[in-house]
Amino acid sequence: QQPVQSPQAVILREGEDAVINCSSSKALYSVHWYRQKHGEAPVFLMILLKGGEQKGHEKISASFNEKKQQSSLYLTASQLSYSGTYFCGTEPPITQGGSEKLVFGKGMKLTVNP
Amino acid sequence: DAGVIQSPRHEVTEMGQEVTLRCKPISGHNSLFWYRQTMMRGLELLIYFNNNVPIDDSGMPEDRFSAKMPNASFSTLKIQPSEPRDSAVYFCASSLDSYTGELFFGEGSRLTVL
Repeated sequence: QQPVQSPQAVILREGEDAVINCSSSKALYSVHWYRQKHGEAPVFLMILLKGGEQKGHEKISASFNEKKQQSSLYLTASQLSYSGTYFCGTEPPITQGGSEKLVFGKGMKLTVNP
Repeated sequence: DAGVIQSPRHEVTEMGQEVTLRCKPISGHNSLFWYRQTMMRGLELLIYFNNNVPIDDSGMPEDRFSAKMPNASFSTLKIQPSEPRDSAVYFCASSLDSYTGELFFGEGSRLTVL
């Protein structure tokens, strides 16, 4: 099942913060985050594997609440280079009948203006 | 190291024609994925190979689509006959091993079927 991302689009000024949410109706084994700039390929940001785990990548961090089947991506003090579409991908546990398949959400378009 | 290489980058064809998209994964990667991206549906997994063997082709839309991986360094996605609704960007991605790590995407093949 495709995860749901919210909000669908955000416009920020440089230096502002943003939170991108990703939720699934099914149990999750992992959550993957990618960023895609216009006309380019998606680029890996991070993978979260355990409940409550938090990871960081420069000023971008994420959390994963396994019980709530949710993940959030935090963009702190956004830069112009953060503009793009952010995708979360969710992977169900194989033991729960999952097919070891990474399913991406529809993405959240972030625009950072000067 | 070269990344994932896809060809052609752009393809414009007429309905009913055969289309072949090509992909060279990163050397040493055991898993290869074909994704299709459209505005309406986002990034959809079409097929996933592990060690050149198709593992999950449940995302292949219909019999008009076929994919092969004759060796570890080459894969093709073929559409025959093509239809206007097949217009999309097709991405190939590879990873060291399944979804346990980062997916490296190629730059995509933009297909337009008239």
